[in-house]
Amino acid sequence: GNSVTQMEGPVTLSEEAFLTINCTYTATGYPSLFWYVQYPGEGLQLLLKATKADDKGSNKGFEATYRKETTSFHLEKGSVQVSDSAVYFCALSFADGLTFGKGTHLIIQP
Amino acid sequence: GAVVSQHPSWVICKSGTSVKIECRSLDFQATTMFWYRQFPKQSLMLMATSNEGSKATYEQGVEKDKFLINHASLTLSTLTVTSAHPEDSSFYICSARGEGPLAFSYNEQFFGPGTRLTVL
Repeated sequence: GNSVTQMEGPVTLSEEAFLTINCTYTATGYPSLFWYVQYPGEGLQLLLKATKADDKGSNKGFEATYRKETTSFHLEKGSVQVSDSAVYFCALSFADGLTFGKGTHLIIQP
Repeated sequence: GAVVSQHPSWVICKSGTSVKIECRSLDFQATTMFWYRQFPKQSLMLMATSNEGSKATYEQGVEKDKFLINHASLTLSTLTVTSAHPEDSSFYICSARGEGPLAFSYNEQFFGPGTRLTVL
């Protein structure tokens, strides 16, 4: 079956540090890939997505590139802010429901 | 962006009772709604997919007689946990995908804030 593996948290960084959250997937075929973010007390929000190999999704300074050869979709940001503190979920989908990773809790300290 | 609400946000019930959770799309028509379940420090697990006016499709291992899903309109889906037991305690999250005046990207789902169910 399909699965998503992402690095366990919590990940604690200082403000303005570089962020990488690793995500790899297992799937038959070529799914669409997503990063969702959940801020405290709120529902999941789509952060970015990529629908085919070599696509780069980007939003709010975050980027992730769909790497078919390594089955990865790592999330990166060059300079994090305190407001980026949240739980980040990597996910894949073919057509309907999403398959999620366990989530990575990111804590940014001032 | 599109807004999805859930009600209630949290509920405590006695073992053996039934609990209904509502999921509403507030500013768009949700042709498809999804129900997920999340245990502490675990991933969201898809429970079922429902399309307006038809029966829900349940994922393997999810008891359809225990988790009743109704998608009677394009803006409302309900999940009823029947004869709830402590092991049903979890965080239930719905999402919706559909049509409306907003531009929908292919396959984008909009999530509700979740409902915390505690069964005593």
